[in-house]
Amino acid sequence: GNSVTQMEGPVTLSEEAFLTINCTYTATGYPSLFWYVQYPGEGLQLLLKATKADDKGSNKGFEATYRKETTSFHLEKGSVQVSDSAVYFCALSSWGKLQFGAGTQVVVTP
Amino acid sequence: ETGVTQSPTHLIKTRGQQVTLRCSSQSGHNTVSWYQQALGQGPQFIFQYYREEENGRGNFPPRFSGLQFPNYSSELNVNALELDDSALYLCASSSLLGGGIDEQFFGPGTRLTVL
Repeated sequence: GNSVTQMEGPVTLSEEAFLTINCTYTATGYPSLFWYVQYPGEGLQLLLKATKADDKGSNKGFEATYRKETTSFHLEKGSVQVSDSAVYFCALSSWGKLQFGAGTQVVVTP
Repeated sequence: ETGVTQSPTHLIKTRGQQVTLRCSSQSGHNTVSWYQQALGQGPQFIFQYYREEENGRGNFPPRFSGLQFPNYSSELNVNALELDDSALYLCASSSLLGGGIDEQFFGPGTRLTVL
């Protein structure tokens, strides 16, 4: 079956540091890939997406590239801010149903 | 454009009771999906409704049931509540087109506590 694996947290960074959150997936076919962000006490917000191999999704300084050869969709941001502190979820979409990773908590300190 | 709304925000029930959670889809969307997010975990797919019919179900027992109405709003019903049902329940709306679903938009969730 399909599955998503992402690096465990929490990831603690200083402001302006570089952030990488690894995500790999197992799926039949060619799923769409997503990163969602969840701020404390809130629902999920779509951060970025990619629908086919080699697509790069980007939003708010975050980027992720759909790598079919390594079945990966790692999230990166060059310079994080305190406001980026949240839980980040990698997900794949199969027949319209989302399958999520366990989430990675990111804590950015001033 | 109105986003996805859910009610109630919080709910406390006791074991064995029944609960109904509600979701209003984003305008123009015809598909609703429900997810359960236990504390510290990723959301798990419960089921999806498309034009009032169930369109896929995750690994949840039959006591989890749902409805979708002609205006595409939806309900999630859980019977015989168990302690492990305590979680954040998320509703997501989307448009199912010929090429499949693209993006799902999530509501803020309902926090259910079972005592």
